Amino acid sequence: SQQGEEDPQALSIQEGENATMNCSYKTSINNLQWYRQNSGRGLVHLILIRSNEREKHSGRLRVTLDTSKKSSSLLITASRAADTASYFCATDAYNQGGKLIFGQGTELSVKP
Amino acid sequence: DAGVIQSPRHEVTEMGQEVTLRCKPISGHDYLFWYRQTMMRGLELLIYFNNNVPIDDSGMPEDRFSAKMPNASFSTLKIQPSEPRDSAVYFCASSLGYIGDQPQHFGDGTRLSIL
Repeated sequence: SQQGEEDPQALSIQEGENATMNCSYKTSINNLQWYRQNSGRGLVHLILIRSNEREKHSGRLRVTLDTSKKSSSLLITASRAADTASYFCATDAYNQGGKLIFGQGTELSVKP
Repeated sequence: DAGVIQSPRHEVTEMGQEVTLRCKPISGHDYLFWYRQTMMRGLELLIYFNNNVPIDDSGMPEDRFSAKMPNASFSTLKIQPSEPRDSAVYFCASSLGYIGDQPQHFGDGTRLSIL
């Protein structure tokens, strides 16, 4: 069954704008990870946030985690055309033996 | 450093044929994963290995699918006989350490089309 669900499914913005993607999940987690997938390529790990953390930053990326609402968000600031990709959250849930369960992804398009 | 290497990148074959997908994980990584990605079902974990030993194959869809890891630097995923519904992109990934809290490194996948 699907653990993480991203929202929106697709997002189109102009270069320089911020992009926010959300991920909701159903059961308690140990960790949550975000990945990017460029067209025709494999997934690339972006950031990992643990259940006892509320916010993490990496360059232009900011991830928040609200375990009470079972949700996470990924913010990309000052977006660039090269950020065009699909973004996935992946949860390491308590009852999954460490396996990552991936959401369906948000397709981000950044127009120059 | 070389990443995860998968071959072939594309495979087109006829229904009923045997298909073998290959993966070379990152050197030193002790976990290896096989995933399948489709539009309908998203990214699904098929099987994973720890130190060359299969740990969880609950995602393998049918007995037609089998996976092996004869050594730390090589794994195969076989489909025999193949069916059109097996058409998908198959990814191999590897990681170091406990699987839940380590990043997974993905290859660029094999795009499989079964006619």
